[in-house]
Amino acid sequence: KAGVTQTPRYLIKTRGQQVTLSCSPISGHRSVSWYQQTPGQGLQFLFEYFSETQRNKGNFPGRFSGRQFSNSRSEMNVSTLELGDSALYLCASSPVAGSYNEQFFGPGTRLTVL
Amino acid sequence: DAKTTQPPSMDCAEGRAANLPCNHSTISGNEYVYWYRQIHSQGPQYIIHGLKNNETNEMASLIITEDRKSSTLILPHATLRDTAVYYCIVRSSQGGSEKLVFGKGTKLTVNP
Repeated sequence: KAGVTQTPRYLIKTRGQQVTLSCSPISGHRSVSWYQQTPGQGLQFLFEYFSETQRNKGNFPGRFSGRQFSNSRSEMNVSTLELGDSALYLCASSPVAGSYNEQFFGPGTRLTVL
Repeated sequence: DAKTTQPPSMDCAEGRAANLPCNHSTISGNEYVYWYRQIHSQGPQYIIHGLKNNETNEMASLIITEDRKSSTLILPHATLRDTAVYYCIVRSSQGGSEKLVFGKGTKLTVNP
């Protein structure tokens, strides 16, 4: 069974631009969560989607948004990029919402904002 | 949110038990303790979780104190491949929402 895949793996953007990251969950998994990881703040929860609905949201500004499609694939978007948005963005999937013991992470997308 | 406190780093000799402590003194009665680890350049990996009782699986054991204010993850026979950052996480539930609140983690180095 294929794992969680994230595209692209690396991305370089400039301040003010917007970016869309993609996550394909493990087949059969319906929940997708997004996290931001930086050296200073560590791993921080962004949001969780289940059955195309945002179920939970972390403490991030409205510039960070996401969505989930009917096939459970998910995208997250960051608008008006800031230097501080440079981070590793991790996606995790699980069979159902909140099943953190069955949550599998992807390799992440490394975003650099110049 | 319940917060966790972990030592920033620890060392362990290969083949010995690694005992990783975590303090979660503000944990609520219905909140679980989860442990994940992150090997360099990979996404985090689930290890184990518990509520009150001690738990054991093929990867590790989790010991939770009776007052639930702290816990210890035990890797019984550490190998070089166990070198990673270990996160102690409390499953937070606020206003009907649930999310994982990660601590800073402990960087465990297993030495040959």
